[in-house]
Amino acid sequence: TAGITQAPTSQILAAGRSMTLRCTQDMRHNAMYWYRQDLGLGLRLIHYSNTAGTTGKGEVPDGYSVSRANTDDFPLTLASAVPSQTSVYFCASSDRTSGETDTQYFGPGTRLTVL
Amino acid sequence: GQNIDQPTEMTATEGAIVQINCTYQTSGFNGLFWYQQHAGEAPTFLSYNVLDGLEEKGRFSSFLSRSKGYSYLLLKELQMKDSASYLCVLMDSNYQLIWGAGTKLIIKP
Repeated sequence: TAGITQAPTSQILAAGRSMTLRCTQDMRHNAMYWYRQDLGLGLRLIHYSNTAGTTGKGEVPDGYSVSRANTDDFPLTLASAVPSQTSVYFCASSDRTSGETDTQYFGPGTRLTVL
Repeated sequence: GQNIDQPTEMTATEGAIVQINCTYQTSGFNGLFWYQQHAGEAPTFLSYNVLDGLEEKGRFSSFLSRSKGYSYLLLKELQMKDSASYLCVLMDSNYQLIWGAGTKLIIKP
């Protein structure tokens, strides 16, 4: 199976432009996550969704929005990109049951540069 | 608050054993993960500990002491392919993951 796919692999974006990073999983996991990874820092959670139709804010949600219209897709939108959003973005999913631990599975990442 | 400390970088020799330490501070604890991340790739799951003690999985073992806020990942019979970053990850009382910055492990022949 493909697991989790992300698109695009990389992108250079002009500041002020909008962009949507795509994420699709075929494992029928109920929970999905968006992280950013910056040099010298741990992964930071941007937004998450515990089930289709619901979303929540993570540690660094400002400047980003998400939607979860169905189980498989979890797009991340930057409405007006700024240079500080230059990062590597990882999408992840897990078969999470409320109150229990889970293992997260990651997509290959999107490398975004905002100029 | 929550905090995770692990060394930034370590170097070891092929065939040897290396121990990567992780200390943490948290007000709530629901487990500790170790993930492996090769350069330019996504993190992949290695281990999970929620109770004190050692969990062994092939060449990799992970240890947890909740009272000391301490974990380590032990890698035996090191291979060149083990060169990667190793991420210590805490699951807090809300079942959210708090990620350490990672330890870059360099394996030399």
